[in-house]
Amino acid sequence: EPEVTQTPSHQVTQMGQEVILRCVPISNHLYFYWYRQILGQKVEFLVSFYNNEISEKSEIFDDQFSVERPDGSNFTLKIRSTKLEDSAMYFCASSVTAYGYTFGSGTRLTVV
Amino acid sequence: AQRVTQPEKLLSVFKGAPVELKCNYSYSGSPELFWYVQYSRQRLQLLLRHISRESIKGFTADLNKGETSFHLKKPFAQEEDSAMYYCAPISGGSYIPTFGRGTSLIVHP
Repeated sequence: EPEVTQTPSHQVTQMGQEVILRCVPISNHLYFYWYRQILGQKVEFLVSFYNNEISEKSEIFDDQFSVERPDGSNFTLKIRSTKLEDSAMYFCASSVTAYGYTFGSGTRLTVV
Repeated sequence: AQRVTQPEKLLSVFKGAPVELKCNYSYSGSPELFWYVQYSRQRLQLLLRHISRESIKGFTADLNKGETSFHLKKPFAQEEDSAMYYCAPISGGSYIPTFGRGTSLIVHP
């Protein structure tokens, strides 16, 4: 069964550093998403991406965040200057239509 | 404001007991509702979509528009059902589900 792949599984970074989280969505999927889950809290939507542009984003997705699909297979989330409160599990998801997501296993980001 | 509520953070039952995980929503219009499940150390995966009206792994969920609820039910819980369960409505012209805080289901042998 096709999977959404996320790398790395765990990333530790220093506060103020830039970090890039990588995702390889399922190949025939058209919609791509990033969610995050701070430890002990609910899963929160960050951004959706379709047709090479952001289609929706939440209030969390401020200027420190950006997404890119640089080569037609990878889908990346960049945090420009990480803060302690960015520590969370980040999930990538993709879907063929606008429904029925397939999630990746997540990247745990720890900002120290 | 659009809101989804899963009132129980933790639900603990014994194997063979009935299970009901509660979800209430506050959405305008006719939301579409989903349940997602996350087993230990595994990824989030879609469990149920209300319009498909199917039963997955013995779980069912009925949309009650009067009570604005979409509770997840299973008549006889199994140990392998232990997981986090998230209710996730979609509404208002957006295709983005909003996840509830989740309910941790623990099924004891």
